[in-house]
Amino acid sequence: AQSVSQHNHHVILSEAASLELGCNYSYGGTVNLFWYVQYPGQHLQLLLKYFSGDPLVKGIKGFEAEFIKSKFSFNLRKPSVQWSDTAEYFCAVSGHSSYKLIFGSGTRLLVRP
Amino acid sequence: DADVTQTPRNRITKTGKRIMLECSQTKGHDRMYWYRQDPGLGLQLIYYSFDVKDINKGEISDGYSVSRQAQAKFSLSLESAIPNQTALYFCATSGTPGTDQETQYFGPGTRLLVL
Repeated sequence: AQSVSQHNHHVILSEAASLELGCNYSYGGTVNLFWYVQYPGQHLQLLLKYFSGDPLVKGIKGFEAEFIKSKFSFNLRKPSVQWSDTAEYFCAVSGHSSYKLIFGSGTRLLVRP
Repeated sequence: DADVTQTPRNRITKTGKRIMLECSQTKGHDRMYWYRQDPGLGLQLIYYSFDVKDINKGEISDGYSVSRQAQAKFSLSLESAIPNQTALYFCATSGTPGTDQETQYFGPGTRLLVL
């Protein structure tokens, strides 16, 4: 079955702490991988994406993610979080040229000043 | 994304009423989607459309219908709203598959409350 698992539903960090959010997927074939962010009261915005090439992908606002094919993982990282990073983060997967985007259940991040 | 707009942004309605949510895009994308978001469940696909004449059911289409009036417009209707349709609804668009344009871009969402 096609699915995305986000291990942490809620994460609380202090400013300047490092962040790593886990994402594992189950999907047959070649995949595209995405992280979306939803700030409070706002819509989903694309944070970064992986289609092919370098498995270490850099996105906006200092975020990066690493695709590890052998582990079916696409974890999101940021070396030093800010209060403004408080949001919900969604990992998603689709097959190449597929319309179907499968989302994880999301991780709510709270960054304390 | 300002290129994808949704109206209304918030709506309260009563059980049994017909509701239409509208989505417009200026990205020139052929593909459009409707999702609903429930707390702790991520996003689930309701309907999707590859072009004006191609409309398909998603995972949770029961109780919903759609209309693709033009390339840029995709409406979602709840024919007879029920309380468990209370959710946040997102429209999304994407371009040519197999290219960078196949990334989905989301509208601001419509928060619907069915009493």
